[in-house]
Parts: sequence; structure tokens; C-alpha cells
Amino acid sequence: NAGVTQTPKFQVLKTGQSMTLQCAQDMNHEYMSWYRQDPGMGLRLIHYSVGAGITDQGEVPNGYNVSRSTTEDFPLRLLSAAPSQTSVYFCASSYLENTEAFFGQGTRLTVV
Amino acid sequence: GENVEQHPSTLSVQEGDSAVIKCTYSDSASNYFPWYKQELGKRPQLIIDIRSNVGEKKDQRIAVTLNKTAKHFSLHITETQPEDSAVYFCAATGRRGGYNKLIFGAGTRLAVHP
Repeated sequence: NAGVTQTPKFQVLKTGQSMTLQCAQDMNHEYMSWYRQDPGMGLRLIHYSVGAGITDQGEVPNGYNVSRSTTEDFPLRLLSAAPSQTSVYFCASSYLENTEAFFGQGTRLTVV
Repeated sequence: GENVEQHPSTLSVQEGDSAVIKCTYSDSASNYFPWYKQELGKRPQLIIDIRSNVGEKKDQRIAVTLNKTAKHFSLHITETQPEDSAVYFCAATGRRGGYNKLIFGAGTRLAVHP
């Protein structure tokens, strides 16, 4: 089992560019989520999904899109990158929202 | 929506002392309260969790207590060791709209000095 795999590990974008952060899990988990981690602000929920075809907004959804076409994959799309989106992004998956969440290795994104 | 507040933001203790981190939550329907540890440059990992039908849970040097009436829960680490140095996050499930979601506190940076 690979667990939760995130790619890329590092990324530098120019303001206005778009990109997709990839997240895949091989544990057959229904619940997947994206968080951003900024100093002093903990892990803030961007978007989450309770199963294939079902997504919802978290605490800080603006500027990000998600879709969940399969159980395994949950990509996060930045539509037009802004410096305020410079952060470390974590994908997580769990069997349900109230069971252990397994995190990916994180993506360090810098927007210049 | 759910809000989770965590205190203190930093905590410094001597090796062998106890450490206590406290969190409060806003959604009275929250039913799951995990704690995660994140070492420098690593991903967060679950260290202990508690459900709303339990008041206390222990796992070796780590314990968590839950007070549903006051809507707060705490992490207790006894006999701290340098390898306990990390950032600790509390979290709680919350519901806004149709689905439950896991909301995290802002984190506590624990430093254990030899």
C-alpha cells in the first residue's frame, strides 16, 4: 500500500498561472480532503469529498476547484494563482470523516 | 460553522515534566476529536483520538480528556521526552450544510528541553 500520494512535492508558479495538485489513495477511502498549512494558522480545510461525485467547500475554498470522478483520486485545481496561495498543501483520506485521516507528504507551493 | 480554538500556541517544558494542550469547539453535535503530531518537515500523524461517548482515553504517556458540557478537550503528555518535540493539532468534526467535516485548531509547538 502506498497510502496517500501527492504530486508534485514542490512547485513555483507565476501569478495568474493555473495548475493541478494531484492526490491519490489506494486504501478505498470514501472521505478525502485538501488542507493548506500556513504558519500560525494550522490546517485549514479547502474542499472535501464524501465519495465519488460528491464534493463540498471547506473553510477557505476561494480560488480552488475540486472534482471527484473516482474513489482513488481527488485533484485540487488552482484557477489563477495568487501570492496569497503560497502555502503547504496536504491531501488526506479516511474511511469516514470520523476515523483516522492519513495525510500525503505535502506540496510546497510558492506563487511569485 | 465549526470553530476549533487551541491553546497555547507554544509550550516549552523540561524533559520529564508534563505538558497539557487545550482545545475548545463550537458545534455541540461534534462527535470525534483526534490529535495529530507533526514533526518538522513531515506530514501530520494521528497519535490519539476520542469519541463523544467517552470522557477519557489513555495510551501509555498520552491521554485525552473530553468535557462535552463545556465543549473542550485536552491532550496530556506525561514524562515528556525530547522526541515529543513537535507541533500538535487538535481537531473536531463539524457540520455546515449537509456533511460532516474535520476542522483543525491552529496548532501548539511543543519544545522539550533535555
